[in-house]
Amino acid sequence: EAGVAQSPRYKIIEKRQSVAFWCNPISGHATLYWYQQILGQGPKLLIQFQNNGVVDDSQLPKDRFSAERLKGVDSTLKIQPAKLEDSAVYLCASSLAGEDTQYFGPGTRLTVL
Amino acid sequence: QKEVEQNSGPLSVPEGAIASLNCTYSDRGSQSFFWYRQYSGKSPELIMSIYSNGDKEDGRFTAQLNKASQYVSLLIRDSQPSDSATYLCAVNIQAGTALIFGKGTTLSVSS
Repeated sequence: EAGVAQSPRYKIIEKRQSVAFWCNPISGHATLYWYQQILGQGPKLLIQFQNNGVVDDSQLPKDRFSAERLKGVDSTLKIQPAKLEDSAVYLCASSLAGEDTQYFGPGTRLTVL
Repeated sequence: QKEVEQNSGPLSVPEGAIASLNCTYSDRGSQSFFWYRQYSGKSPELIMSIYSNGDKEDGRFTAQLNKASQYVSLLIRDSQPSDSATYLCAVNIQAGTALIFGKGTTLSVSS
């Protein structure tokens, strides 16, 4: 069974530029999460989708971050414009609907200069 | 504010020893508890989940939960250098919701 796929793996941008990350969850997983992990911290939820609907985006900085999961499968997370403090690893995770176990993708390491 | 607290370490143990990792959580309504292992530069990998008070064993790993004390621990027996990683404690309020993570404890096992 293929795991959660993410791309790109690494991205370096200048502040005020925009960037987009892509995630493809495990086949059949209705629930998709985007987490932000700053160096030395645990992952923190940005947004949770159930199929193509948003379940929780209370911690998403909506003035600069956006995310979509239009067809209920893969998802895109965008940052525009990026700030220095957005430097982090962006992790995508998926799970079966209503299940506890979340499977993480390899992450995208973003560096904002 | 729901919080999960862990000692950041580093925790250093010799090869073959027992490593003990601890975690406390603030929300009494937390239902599910997880330990993830994260190697440097890699994503978190689930190693144990526990849902009820007591101990749960899986190979060299034992998770312990005490809901009255809001305390979760992970014991690693016969520690190996390959166990050197950051261990993240995570909780959630109900199935299908996001995990709340601690900052992680860095474990170093010396040979």
